[in-house]
Amino acid sequence: GAGVSQSPRYKVAKRGQDVALRCDPISGHVSLFWYQQALGQGPEFLTYFQNEAQLDKSGLPSDRFFAERPEGSVSTLKIQRTQQEDSAVYLCASSFSGSTEAFFGQGTRLTVV
Amino acid sequence: QKEVEQNSGPLSVPEGAIASLNCTYSDRGSQSFFWYRQYSGKSPELIMSIYSNGDKEDGRFTAQLNKASQYVSLLIRDSQPSDSATYLCAPTPGSYKLIFGSGTRLLVRP
Repeated sequence: GAGVSQSPRYKVAKRGQDVALRCDPISGHVSLFWYQQALGQGPEFLTYFQNEAQLDKSGLPSDRFFAERPEGSVSTLKIQRTQQEDSAVYLCASSFSGSTEAFFGQGTRLTVV
Repeated sequence: QKEVEQNSGPLSVPEGAIASLNCTYSDRGSQSFFWYRQYSGKSPELIMSIYSNGDKEDGRFTAQLNKASQYVSLLIRDSQPSDSATYLCAPTPGSYKLIFGSGTRLLVRP
């Protein structure tokens, strides 16, 4: 596709429910990032993949958060046992390589009720 | 001290004026610097990148970088109402990780 594609665009989850957020990066982009953006704040780094390797997961807030990119293309961010503080917009970005410009998808707005 | 500091604004300028957006960062190891524009309810959109000290111009936008002062700015000439958005500064302290400021909200008055 022409840009980074994320799905779903909106997700409402009941507290305690597991969710999976999908990211389809720009074709040929080696690097993939997940960010979390709370209202009125800048995006906060969660994790970074280079191809299928997860090179940095230092931003994942707890062990309830898990990300994978098994074939080096599509990535999934999974949140187990969601809590209200997980409510945010989850942004995926990709770049040709780690040091070049990153392009963002439209994000998934997660609301935990 | 936050890693990236931006004035939250709103910065209000009249149409046609120059808007000046500023950003300071704490990590001297930052090598690449990006400015993203984010409209309300939308995702960040890359508008400028700068890698070396000095000025870089692209249309109505000019990015300025001073690594010694750990300061990067974005100037928008001939501001238009469509420029009204939040502008996010993002240095990369490592080779890949963008660290965003909270953003400056710009309001261009018609």
